[in-house]
This record gives sequence, structure tokens and C-alpha cells, in this order.
Amino acid sequence: KQEVTQIPAALSVPEGENLVLNCSFTDSAIYNLQWFRQDPGKGLTSLLLIQSSQREQTSGRLNASLDKSSGRSTLYIAASQPGDSATYLCAVRRRASGTYKYIFGTGTRLKVLA
Amino acid sequence: DVKVTQSSRYLVKRTGEKVFLECVQDMDHENMFWYRQDPGLGLRLIYFSYDVKMKEKGDIPEGYSVSREKKERFSLILESASTNQTSMYLCASSLWQGSQPQHFGDGTRLSIL
Repeated sequence: KQEVTQIPAALSVPEGENLVLNCSFTDSAIYNLQWFRQDPGKGLTSLLLIQSSQREQTSGRLNASLDKSSGRSTLYIAASQPGDSATYLCAVRRRASGTYKYIFGTGTRLKVLA
Repeated sequence: DVKVTQSSRYLVKRTGEKVFLECVQDMDHENMFWYRQDPGLGLRLIYFSYDVKMKEKGDIPEGYSVSREKKERFSLILESASTNQTSMYLCASSLWQGSQPQHFGDGTRLSIL
């Protein structure tokens, strides 16, 4: 059974710091991995999608990497800002029972201090 | 841009009531999903649908049912609401292909009193 783990559960950093969020998954048979951001009381906003054949994706100050063989993905945030404060979730998409499903981690709650 | 719209941001209902949560997407996506999100448990899949009138149970379908009569609309039904169904409910949609991203609505915070 696919399990997705995000460590740490919470992180607090000063503004301007570069940081890395981690996502681990137990089954490497995935189609893609998606990183999301969630603000308190809101839905999920898609940040980056990495296909299983890709190694990384970049969008602005965000860079996500994928190592399928080791079951790991990282989200790198450069020059963090207070507006980056949110919960970050990763999800892997895999095929099960003839359809595609997403399995989510429980998230890392990030606080960037001004 | 893909837009997934959930009918209510906040909803308060009483135990035993039949509750309907509605979700509409505007991008002709085949797949639609209902999740609930609880502190410490993350997102858990309730039901999903890969086509009109088609549905599959997720990880926690008990106490819920769904309806998909039109491709753009996916409804979650709480047949007889109970207090343990108080939660944040999130709807999502995606294209059928496994390589495509999932898009979420803003969520419905449901309280059952």
C-alpha cells in the first residue's frame, strides 16, 4: 500500500532563508508527483507537477525534484518570504483498480518570520 | 485557468439531516473527486468519478453517497448527517490521463451540530 510521508510536520525559518521540504513515498510505481500549497481554511493550490520521467520542475523561486528509485521528492524554496507561510502538501498519483488515484502526505506547516 | 467551484464555503447542519455538497468544474475534466480533510489525518478520498454516472468508492465511503448526472457536476450526499462528519470537504477534478494535474476547489467547512 502506498504511503506518503512529509517530514518535518512544522518548520519555522527567518525571512530570506533558503529551505527544503521533504516528501517520501513507499511505492515507486507512480505516474507523477504534485506539490500543493494550502492557506488556512482554504483549498489546495497546485505549485508544481513532476512527471515520473522527469527529475525536476521549476517555477519562480520554487524547484521540485523527484528521485523515484529512492522514493523521494524535495521542494526547494529560495529566499523565503512571510507570504510563503502556508501548509505544503505533496501527493503521488498512481494507478489502482483501473483508475488513477492521488495519495497525499499530511503536509509541512511552514512559517516564515519577518 | 481551470475553475472548480464548491457551492458553499461554510455550512451548518443538524444531525440526521440529509446534506448535499455541490461541485462544478469548467474544464471538461473526466475525473472528479471528493476528499475530507481532518487535522492529523490529511486528505482522505471519499469517492471519485471517472465519467458521467460512474463512481468508485475511495478510502472512507461509509455514510456518504455521490451523484454525477452531468460531466461538470459532482455531488456529495450525507444521507443522515452525524457529528463525526464535521470536517473540511474538498472537491477536485483532473483529466483522465495519469500525467495530468489535479485542481481543487476552495473547500466547504461543514459543521454538524
